[in-house]
Amino acid sequence: EVQLVESGGGLVQPGGSLTLSCAASGFIVSSYEMNWVRQAPGRGLEWVSYISSSGGTIYHADSVKGRFTISRDNAKNSLYLQMNSLRAEDTAVYYCARDAFKDSLDIWGQGTMVTVSS
Amino acid sequence: QSVLTQPPSVSAAPGQKVTISCSGSSSNIAKNYVSWYQQVAGTAPKLLIFGSDERPSGIPDRFSGSKSGTSATLGITGLQTGDEADYYCEAWDSSLSSVLFGGGTKLTVL
Repeated sequence: EVQLVESGGGLVQPGGSLTLSCAASGFIVSSYEMNWVRQAPGRGLEWVSYISSSGGTIYHADSVKGRFTISRDNAKNSLYLQMNSLRAEDTAVYYCARDAFKDSLDIWGQGTMVTVSS
Repeated sequence: QSVLTQPPSVSAAPGQKVTISCSGSSSNIAKNYVSWYQQVAGTAPKLLIFGSDERPSGIPDRFSGSKSGTSATLGITGLQTGDEADYYCEAWDSSLSSVLFGGGTKLTVL
């Protein structure tokens, strides 16, 4: 079964760091473009980061640029999001998603909650 | 404020048809594919439409997508109570080098 499972969320203080993981099964992560998308409580979807299948192209939303880093471990078939200098406005459910047909996000994980609060 | 603009809410009776609009610009919808997602409360988004007008396998033909210029539309016919959800449009923006989502539209089936 094709599946994505996120982990690593939790409660962190403002200014702190957290690394999210996204384990893929049923497909090879390095064969696809991958994304992180977040959703603040009661709000809409917000794209966060993108990594190409080769890993040579990376984009981040302006709201996280310089603070978040997307990466991939091909041996572990997993995607990561390193989050530094966290702010209250980063509080959200974070989803990893596979970019497949014509730039669409066809497979999503169940999400992991990140809460930034003192 | 989202760069892709959707109506906050739409409603219709069971069995009826509804359309949800998504307005963008020359750097996103006009030159790139549009996707649509359905998100039932408390669950992850689900892909409904890709390539502006194509349905993934398993998505019923009650759902359709179209695009014209800088706007896209999601259509849902034969509304069912199970269609109550939030719907989001999405497109790549070539100028921003960013994925854009619309603000979302809450569908209520009366």
